[in-house]
Amino acid sequence: GGIITQTPKFLIGQEGQKLTLKCQQNFNHDTMYWYRQDSGKGLRLIYYSITENDLQKGDLSEGYDASREKKSSFSLTVTSAQKNEMAVFLCASTPGQGLSGNTLYFGEGSRLIVV
Amino acid sequence: QQQVRQSPQSLTVWEGETAILNCSYENSAFDYFPWYQQFPGEGPALLISILSVSDKKEDGRFTIFFNKREKKLSLHIADSQPGDSATYFCAASDYNVLYFGSGTKLTVEP
Repeated sequence: GGIITQTPKFLIGQEGQKLTLKCQQNFNHDTMYWYRQDSGKGLRLIYYSITENDLQKGDLSEGYDASREKKSSFSLTVTSAQKNEMAVFLCASTPGQGLSGNTLYFGEGSRLIVV
Repeated sequence: QQQVRQSPQSLTVWEGETAILNCSYENSAFDYFPWYQQFPGEGPALLISILSVSDKKEDGRFTIFFNKREKKLSLHIADSQPGDSATYFCAASDYNVLYFGSGTKLTVEP
């Protein structure tokens, strides 16, 4: 089996600060995702990447940048942290391309706290 | 616009009862519908899924009923156990992206 590791588990920053979340997977999966989870609002897609150096925007990409420099890692940068975006950020991966019948595997999440 | 809707937002059942969680979607192109289970402090994990060519999928105590014409599906959890207490997310896929509902928080009372 494999694992998705997200760091840090808690990210505390000041309003307006640029903050980066990191994700590593050892499944050797092609496609990786960043979702944001707000209480009571489910999961919303920020960015995804179907292969190294590929980036695709999700519905919530404004205010975020992403980077996929290696197959195994996918990072997300909050370009200017705001108090209204305190949430849990979830990284996920899936083998190949296309989700039909494929499982999305999630990390445990990173909680963003803006002070 | 929310592509996937879930109800109820929260549900409490007694141990041994059947819990029914509902889901509906907008996009006719969606063809894959997984349900994810999430415990506090953990990431969601796949529980059971169905493709749009089927109208029912069973896995132990968990059953998905799917109605393509009405764009609705439901998750039935039979003989509910306290360990089933979690948040359940319905999701729908259009190839590369999974769209999630807002979740149903299930509590099973002993």
